[in-house]
Amino acid sequence: DAGVTQSPTHLIKTRGQQVTLRCSPKSGHDTVSWYQQALGQGPQFIFQYYEEEERQRGNFPDRFSGHQFPNYSSELNVNALLLGDSALYLCASSLRATASNQPQHFGDGTRLSIL
Amino acid sequence: GQNIDQPTEMTATEGAIVQINCTYQTSGFNGLFWYQQHAGEAPTFLSYNVLDGLEEKGRFSSFLSRSKGYSYLLLKELQMKDSASYLCAVKEGYQKVTFGTGTKLQVIP
Repeated sequence: DAGVTQSPTHLIKTRGQQVTLRCSPKSGHDTVSWYQQALGQGPQFIFQYYEEEERQRGNFPDRFSGHQFPNYSSELNVNALLLGDSALYLCASSLRATASNQPQHFGDGTRLSIL
Repeated sequence: GQNIDQPTEMTATEGAIVQINCTYQTSGFNGLFWYQQHAGEAPTFLSYNVLDGLEEKGRFSSFLSRSKGYSYLLLKELQMKDSASYLCAVKEGYQKVTFGTGTKLQVIP
């Protein structure tokens, strides 16, 4: 039973570039959430996708966008990269129809460094 | 919106008991999670509380008081491997989860 998988594990970009991060949810899960975690901080909610639509969004600019595919996998796109975008990007999956006490399952994250 | 507060760092001795507190303010409370995160790794689920009271799971217990906007995570019989960050996270609405900044626990011999 595969857990949440993210790719790539590490990525280095320069300011102004664009990046796409990918996530495959845990088998059987249909909802994907993306988080940004700066060093020494807790994960910050970016947005959540369900049924191929963005359902909820945190306090992130429009440079952050996403997509969910029919197979429930998801992409996070960040345009016009800034130095402050350097962080660990975590993907978490869950099954929307389950009881509230079911936790999200996290992937190991993508470490994005902006030079 | 939400505001979640927890101590930044704590130190405790191997074999001892430690309590990590979390206070929160939210407009649509729908449960509180505790996660453990070792350095460089993904967060892993520890506990969930939605009703007032204590939930016990082995060496770890979690308490919730909704009227006070307060929770704590209790770790007993501390082991060196318990050194990690502990994240308090509040669920608002259907599935949006907001995390605190985390408490970095150092267990010393």
